[in-house]
Amino acid sequence: DAGVTQSPTHLIKTRGQHVTLRCSPISGHKSVSWYQQVLGQGPQFIFQYYEKEERGRGNFPDRFSARQFPNYSSELNVNALLLGDSALYLCASSLTPSTDTQYFGPGTRLTVL
Amino acid sequence: SQQGEEDPQALSIQEGENATMNCSYKTSINNLQWYRQNSGRGLVHLILIRSNEREKHSGRLRVTLDTSKKSSSLLITASRAADTASYFCATAPDTGRRALTFGSGTRLQVQP
Repeated sequence: DAGVTQSPTHLIKTRGQHVTLRCSPISGHKSVSWYQQVLGQGPQFIFQYYEKEERGRGNFPDRFSARQFPNYSSELNVNALLLGDSALYLCASSLTPSTDTQYFGPGTRLTVL
Repeated sequence: SQQGEEDPQALSIQEGENATMNCSYKTSINNLQWYRQNSGRGLVHLILIRSNEREKHSGRLRVTLDTSKKSSSLLITASRAADTASYFCATAPDTGRRALTFGSGTRLQVQP
């Protein structure tokens, strides 16, 4: 079975632009979570979605938004990019929001210039 | 914000030696997990220990959990060069939602 997939692998944007990151969960997994990992730090929780509804949100500004589609894939959108948004964005999938083990994708490396 | 700290931040050992990493956290948890990350890419799940467990083994990995001290340790025995990576502990709260809170990580370098 395929693991969690994310696209694109790398992305370079300039300040003020908008970006959309995509994630496809493991087949059968209905919950998707997004994490931001700044260089040298551990990942920080951004969003969790289940059955197309937001089930949790971390401490991130409203410039960050996400959605989940009927096939359980998900998009993370970031508006008005700042230099500090440069990070590795990780997607994780699990069967449900309360399932203990989450499976992470390879991430999307976003660089904001 | 980060749940807690990992200690040490960096560790360099020779192949065959044991590596011990420690993790502290702040709030009550349902479980604690350890992940490995190679070269800033995706996280690989290593082992999960529940709040009512004190010790767990998986291959060359041994994890302990002390909920009274809010701390955990990961021991990698007989290390190999391929174990070179960053290791993160992550806690899941004792609520229905398992959003993980990660520590700051330990960078392990195993010299061949």
